[in-house]
Amino acid sequence: KNEVEQSPQNLTAQEGEFITINCSYSVGISALHWLQQHPGGGIVSLFMLSSGKKKHGRLIATINIQEKHSSLHITASHPRDSAVYICAVRSVGTDKLIFGTGTRLQVFP
Amino acid sequence: GAVVSQHPSWVICKSGTSVKIECRSLDFQATTMFWYRQFPKQSLMLMATSNEGSKATYEQGVEKDKFLINHASLTLSTLTVTSAHPEDSSFYICSAGAREIGTDTQYFGPGTRLTVL
Repeated sequence: KNEVEQSPQNLTAQEGEFITINCSYSVGISALHWLQQHPGGGIVSLFMLSSGKKKHGRLIATINIQEKHSSLHITASHPRDSAVYICAVRSVGTDKLIFGTGTRLQVFP
Repeated sequence: GAVVSQHPSWVICKSGTSVKIECRSLDFQATTMFWYRQFPKQSLMLMATSNEGSKATYEQGVEKDKFLINHASLTLSTLTVTSAHPEDSSFYICSAGAREIGTDTQYFGPGTRLTVL
């Protein structure tokens, strides 16, 4: 079993829909990252969380440390949100990130 | 936010040649740099961690003589794929972190696509 699991693996949405991507992990962590990877390959760091909730524009990320679970929400989705969203955790006592397998999102107009 | 660049963005080479990929932190001093590779439709796999001025720490299964990492300065790390073979074709990504900007923060480079013929 992977230490970081994401669901769903693939997600298709109509423009304007509210989207949720989930991430569960099994290790103790010091931080959790949500990353966005576009088809060209470049990676953008969206959020880094260690507790609570963060919001940036139409993106919201939450984390529940006790339940070892995080969610990434996209409100009013747009075709330009189409990308792979990756959850990565930094386990306690290390600089290394452990990556989930990613969620491929396609938003159609 | 902090910017990390990689050069080249793509490279095609013949089997048996060596390829060097550069990773630069443009507006901060990166005390730690990470090198990843990514196969199509798979997640990133950490290859090695390098700290400025010291030898890189390689992950299990990564050949250090094959993938030479040099972190010579606080703004530059290089990955050299020696005697490249077609199975080395992949997307290579670096990230950089620094205590001054928060030890949990990593900034990712845009990646380098290597194709070995």
